[in-house]
Amino acid sequence: SQKIEQNSEALNIQEGKTATLTCNYTNYSPAYLQWYRQDPGRGPVFLLLIRENEKEKRKERLKVTFDTTLKQSLFHITASQPADSATYLCAPRVYISGTYKYIFGTGTRLKVLA
Amino acid sequence: NAGVTQTPKFRVLKTGQSMTLLCAQDMNHEYMYWYRQDPGMGLRLIHYSVGEGTTAKGEVPDGYNVSRLKKQNFLLGLESAAPSQTSVYFCASSYSRSPEETQYFGPGTRLLVL
Repeated sequence: SQKIEQNSEALNIQEGKTATLTCNYTNYSPAYLQWYRQDPGRGPVFLLLIRENEKEKRKERLKVTFDTTLKQSLFHITASQPADSATYLCAPRVYISGTYKYIFGTGTRLKVLA
Repeated sequence: NAGVTQTPKFRVLKTGQSMTLLCAQDMNHEYMYWYRQDPGMGLRLIHYSVGEGTTAKGEVPDGYNVSRLKKQNFLLGLESAAPSQTSVYFCASSYSRSPEETQYFGPGTRLLVL
């Protein structure tokens, strides 16, 4: 099954807290994984890329980890703000049907409460 | 620099009707993609193109055709629309297929097939 698992339930957190989103890719062994942000009615926007040898990547208040043993990536937003409210998609790069592709998870909706 | 644009933004079709969705990018990208996004399914690749005059099937190509006559444009056609094709369609482009290359998405086209 070409399924990338993200928590389908919305995540509500209080402003200022750290949000942690999970991406599981049990059936694959990607060397690259991307995270995107998607706002309602808009297309996804690229946030971060992490390579399998990096384990952790940071960009401002964002941090992504890449656990190749657990086959899981975690996406953290520290000091969260209401403006961070959006759906976040993970996309590991996998080998399917003779070529490499990024395939997307269903996304996790994050709501940061003021 | 408009990035990736899609036309139309919204369309209602009756079963059996045909239509063409237009995607245009002004970033001189070689690679272009068509995805559909459905609740609980994530983004699924329909067709993609690795350059002008080329097309290839993605994960869910049935019922769709594509053409890339010009580098900046990627057309998605529905010859005989079905209710199962009700979805939000996103076009994306990237400079290359490098694993570190990000995809730039358009704003989406919402299609309702009655």
